[in-house]
Amino acid sequence: EIVLTQSPGTLSLSPGEGATLSCRASQAFRSTYLAWYQQKPGQAPRLLIYGASNRATGIPDRFSGSGSGTDFTLIISRLEPEDFAVYYCQHYGSLHSITFGQGTRLEIK
Amino acid sequence: QVTLRESGPALVKPTQTLTLTCTFSGFSLSTNGMCVSWIRQPPGKALEWLGYIDWDDDKFYSTSLRTRLTISKDTSKNQVVLTMTNVDPVDTATYYCARMTLSYDWKESNYDYYGMDVWGPGTTVTVSS
Repeated sequence: EIVLTQSPGTLSLSPGEGATLSCRASQAFRSTYLAWYQQKPGQAPRLLIYGASNRATGIPDRFSGSGSGTDFTLIISRLEPEDFAVYYCQHYGSLHSITFGQGTRLEIK
Repeated sequence: QVTLRESGPALVKPTQTLTLTCTFSGFSLSTNGMCVSWIRQPPGKALEWLGYIDWDDDKFYSTSLRTRLTISKDTSKNQVVLTMTNVDPVDTATYYCARMTLSYDWKESNYDYYGMDVWGPGTTVTVSS
């Protein structure tokens, strides 16, 4: 089972700044199997990115994903107040197993 | 419009069996590529995947919980049911169901993954005597 390690654990930034969130896997896999989610307090997660770099329906273009192999990145180009939340990366495995990273908390500085 | 909603008991006693129902609309679970996944989140902690059922009635479970979980579907009622046996206070969490989509890539002889694109609001379950 692949383990996903997200860094940093907490990121403190100001609105307008850019954010870079990292997700590192314990072994390499096809980028089609990597997704990113945003979760705000008291809400269900929301799909942001699938296939490592494809924005889900309705997701603003300030969100972008990249990466391959074991290293994946979520970039938020200009932080809006509503972007401060917890972000999870997630892997879908070829043996039908699914794992989530432990999350990165993006907080207002 | 695709929607999902979880339902079930808010409080369960230790050693009992927990049964949760996910009622969905806007898609058919008999359509090729459609799946419903269950995920939980203990208070203040990360998301944990539990299992999923696909359009072909195949079920896949978390390795750590597979002996305690059963997922089934009633396509005519648009429902997916999760049962968890022998619950413990560590099973206290918000439980979510989510639609998940796969698509077969003939060139790669494998599936492409489109993520869990619609989630239910979650249902909170407390395990306590």
